[in-house]
Amino acid sequence: NTVMTQSPTSMFTSVGDRVTMSCKASQNVGINVGWYQQKTGQSPKRLIYWASNRDTGVPDRFTGSGSGTDFTLTISNMQAEDPAIYYCLQHNSYPYTFGAGTKLELK
Amino acid sequence: EVQLQQSGAELGKPGTSVKLSCKVSGYNIRNTYMHWVNQRPGKGLEWIGRIDPANGNTIYAEKFKSKATLTADTSSNTAYMQLSQLKSDDTAIYFCAIDGVATPFDYWGQGVMVTVSS
Repeated sequence: NTVMTQSPTSMFTSVGDRVTMSCKASQNVGINVGWYQQKTGQSPKRLIYWASNRDTGVPDRFTGSGSGTDFTLTISNMQAEDPAIYYCLQHNSYPYTFGAGTKLELK
Repeated sequence: EVQLQQSGAELGKPGTSVKLSCKVSGYNIRNTYMHWVNQRPGKGLEWIGRIDPANGNTIYAEKFKSKATLTADTSSNTAYMQLSQLKSDDTAIYFCAIDGVATPFDYWGQGVMVTVSS
């Protein structure tokens, strides 16, 4: 199975900060990675598909990059509505696997 | 607008089964895969498996092969997941999700809480 390792586990940030989080795959998954935002009590919402494509309606402060085994989600200008848990998902091979998540909080 | 409407919360006793439903509107499930994902209290997301409603083909994560059974009824555009031999660690929120035209997990249901308790 492909293990997706996210880091950091959690982070505190301030409005206006640039935030970067990582997702590393245990084997090559190409660009078959999505990033999901989950707020408390809500379903996950996809932000990025195919590693670097922003979903419709997602603010352009969210950027995904990477291929192969190393992936990054960057929030260029942290906003008050962005605290959430962010998950990466690989859909290159079954079983699909999620990372354990990065919890993003405001200071 | 695509919507996935999941059935209501379930309370099951240990050793019994529950069957969850996910009714899709705005998208023909014959043209997509239906995935199921769980989230135990305070934990992350875990992929359970997926069904191709057009032919009933299923793929499961190894740990769910004897726990979950995925089915679909294309006439009602609804997918189902039966969880059997319930144990306390099956207590979780269960989500359904479908792929889009070229992208996976485009649309999600609202999730349903399953609580296993005697």
